[in-house]
Amino acid sequence: KQEVTQIPAALSVPEGENLVLNCSFTDSAIYNLQWFRQDPGKGLTSLLLIQSSQREQTSGRLNASLDKSSGRSTLYIAASQPGDSATYLCAVIGGSNYKLTFGKGTLLTVNP
Amino acid sequence: KAGVTQTPRYLIKTRGQQVTLSCSPISGHRSVSWYQQTPGQGLQFLFEYFSETQRNKGNFPGRFSGRQFSNSRSEMNVSTLELGDSALYLCASSLATGNTGELFFGEGSRLTVL
Repeated sequence: KQEVTQIPAALSVPEGENLVLNCSFTDSAIYNLQWFRQDPGKGLTSLLLIQSSQREQTSGRLNASLDKSSGRSTLYIAASQPGDSATYLCAVIGGSNYKLTFGKGTLLTVNP
Repeated sequence: KAGVTQTPRYLIKTRGQQVTLSCSPISGHRSVSWYQQTPGQGLQFLFEYFSETQRNKGNFPGRFSGRQFSNSRSEMNVSTLELGDSALYLCASSLATGNTGELFFGEGSRLTVL
């Protein structure tokens, strides 16, 4: 059974800092991995989708990497802003059953 | 281009009642998947529909069911509600089936069971 772990559970940083969020998964046979952000009481917003054959994806100040062999993905946020404050979730799609498994998320607070 | 629309946004029910939630996907998307989000369990996959057929199912009891119409709109139904069913129910749409494409989520339907 696929398990997805996100560390840390919460992170507080000053504005302008670069930061890394971690996601690890137990079964490396994945189809793809997606990073989302969720604002309080809202739905999820897609940030980056990495196919299993890719090593990284970039969008603006965000960069996500994927290392299937070690079961890890990282989300790098450059020059953080207070508007980046949200919960960040990673989700893994199983390579054989296509079931989606989410991590519990990292609550990010960027202080002005 | 309109996003994923979920209705109702909030609802309150009592134990034993049933509830139906609706999800309209992004135009052109044929896959709709449903998720339950609770503080304790996080986000859990319920089921996925593509072209009116259930393609995948999570580990939820039979009280949770769904369907998809020919216009790709989807409904999920929960019968005999329990207190533990209180949650945010999210749906997502995608161009591809099997969760293989990028997922776009709605704002969710927050269900409170009293």
